[in-house]
Amino acid sequence: DGGITQSPKYLFRKEGQNVTLSCEQNLNHDAMYWYRQDPGQGLRLIYYSQIVNDFQKGDIAEGYSVSREKKESFPLTVTSAQKNPTAFYLCASSRMGHTGELFFGEGSRLTVL
Amino acid sequence: QKEVEQDPGPLSVPEGAIVSLNCTYSNSAFQYFMWYRQYSRKGPELLMYTYSSGNKEDGRFTAQVDKSSKYISLFIRDSQTCDSNTYLCAMRDDQAGTALIFGKGTTLSVSS
Repeated sequence: DGGITQSPKYLFRKEGQNVTLSCEQNLNHDAMYWYRQDPGQGLRLIYYSQIVNDFQKGDIAEGYSVSREKKESFPLTVTSAQKNPTAFYLCASSRMGHTGELFFGEGSRLTVL
Repeated sequence: QKEVEQDPGPLSVPEGAIVSLNCTYSNSAFQYFMWYRQYSRKGPELLMYTYSSGNKEDGRFTAQVDKSSKYISLFIRDSQTCDSNTYLCAMRDDQAGTALIFGKGTTLSVSS
């Protein structure tokens, strides 16, 4: 079945630790995105990538880093520089030229202890 | 002023009611308008997609865009308990490669 797989679903981290969230898609989509969702805040864009080895910052990129070495994969690292990392993280993908139709993964819930 | 405004609710209606969900926006360059539905603790899924102004109907759902007023709506007819979800509006402009801007989402509860 085609889709987007995010892992882990739940993650706990101590303050000061970096953590990497995985996102893999087998939809052959060119574009991939990371969003953060907080209660009452909606979805806010962290980073997005339209092609391999290229990515752009979204509205809240500070404290995060990404890589796009393969078309299928777009991992997100939450660094210790992110002041308030506890959130629900959503990865999405879309076909080139169809950036309105996003396919989302199930999400990863990160809690910093 | 935020680019996209959406009342978070919660909105509670009885089964069978007509539901109206709305968003306003400030960027007149927005051309593509979407409604996503999000089940609790899941990723959103696309519900409706419209381009520019006008109406689009799909079953019990109607999406309406009024660009002159910078206002979009999603109507749900004959609402059912399974419609209880969070609904997010999203939009973007015509430039290639720009990402979606989402509203905060409205939580809808339909009671039997």
